[in-house]
Amino acid sequence: DIQMTQSPSSLSASVGDRVTITCRASQDISNYLGWLQQKPGKAPKSLIYAASSLHSGVPSRFSGNRSGTDFTFTIDSLQPEDFATYYCQQYSTSSWTFGQGTKVEIK
Amino acid sequence: EVQLVESGGGLVQPGGSLRLSCTTSGFTFSSYEMNWVRQAPGKGLEWLAYISNAATTIYYADSVKGRFTISRDNANNALYLEMNSLSAEDTAVYYCARESGGPTDYWGQGTLVTVSS
Repeated sequence: DIQMTQSPSSLSASVGDRVTITCRASQDISNYLGWLQQKPGKAPKSLIYAASSLHSGVPSRFSGNRSGTDFTFTIDSLQPEDFATYYCQQYSTSSWTFGQGTKVEIK
Repeated sequence: EVQLVESGGGLVQPGGSLRLSCTTSGFTFSSYEMNWVRQAPGKGLEWLAYISNAATTIYYADSVKGRFTISRDNANNALYLEMNSLSAEDTAVYYCARESGGPTDYWGQGTLVTVSS
């Protein structure tokens, strides 16, 4: 199975901050990488697919990038509703794997 | 509006069985591949099973292979997960997720399965 190593596991930030989360794949997954947001007690919500494409309705302050097997997820100007846990997800194979998650907390 | 609604969760004894359903609306169900994903309490996401739009291709995670069966009813826009030989390690919220040519785009709200005596 492809392993996804996500960091950090948690971070504290203030409203208006820029936040960056990284995910490294254990092998080449091309750009078959998505980012999910999950709020407590809620289902995941898909934000980004193909490493950098935003799903419909997702604010433009969210972005993603790829460099080889390293992927980054950025929130520009963190908003109060963005405090949540974020996961990367690879779908290059039929058996998806997820990163461990990054909890974004209020500083 | 795309909607995925899971049901069928609950409390089951170790060794028992349960059948989860995911009823869908707002899209042409028969055109989409579907998946089941679970999340144990306080843990991350674990992919469980995949089914192609015509049910001709099915994959399972090793952790559930031989115990869980994914199926679908395109006439009734529903996805299922039959779970057998359940153990405490299967306690989790179970989500169905729609796949759109590879990436996930919509998730259900989840149904909680608790395996305990």
